[in-house]
Amino acid sequence: DGGITQSPKYLFRKEGQNVTLSCEQNLNHDAMYWYRQDPGQGLRLIYYSQIVNDFQKGDIAEGYSVSREKKESFPLTVTSAQKNPTAFYLCASTKTSGGGNIQYFGAGTRLSVL
Amino acid sequence: DAKTTQPTSMDCAEGRAANLPCNHSTISGNEYVYWYRQIHSQGPQYIIHGLKNNETNEMASLIITEDRKSSTLILPHATLRDTAVYYCIVRGKDYGGSQGNLIFGKGTKLSVKP
Repeated sequence: DGGITQSPKYLFRKEGQNVTLSCEQNLNHDAMYWYRQDPGQGLRLIYYSQIVNDFQKGDIAEGYSVSREKKESFPLTVTSAQKNPTAFYLCASTKTSGGGNIQYFGAGTRLSVL
Repeated sequence: DAKTTQPTSMDCAEGRAANLPCNHSTISGNEYVYWYRQIHSQGPQYIIHGLKNNETNEMASLIITEDRKSSTLILPHATLRDTAVYYCIVRGKDYGGSQGNLIFGKGTKLSVKP
């Protein structure tokens, strides 16, 4: 089945540690996105990539980094500079359909600080 | 992008139709109406989208008023598994790059009861 796979489902970070969240898609979509969701809140854009080897900062990029070496993969690193990393992280990709763009989401990674 | 207004919460009896309203009075001519839902602790799921005509797919129907200032998502026979937060989003057709992200507000929490 085609889709977006995020791993791990749950992740724990120690103080001063960098952690990497994986996002893989087999939908052949060019554009990929990382969002952060805090309890009871909407989604906020961290980074996005429209094409391989290119990515742009979103609204809350500080303390995060990404890479896009392959079309299928868009990993997110939460660095030690991100002082409040506890959140639900969602990866998405976009396909154009019927005159509009549809975003497909992974199941998410829940990150907590030890 | 046009702002949307949705009720905070709604209840629906299992097996009955769920009608979720959305106001988007500032929508412009080239903006689409999208509906997504998010079941607790999962990634958002695309439901349906439309421009001006009513749309139907296997999940739901979308009714857009003639002046396009409001719309209604209809789940024809709600089940317990339809309990989720439903988001109404308005976006231009060719959004991409930093505009490729969808702006999720707080949505409507739909509770389907036995």
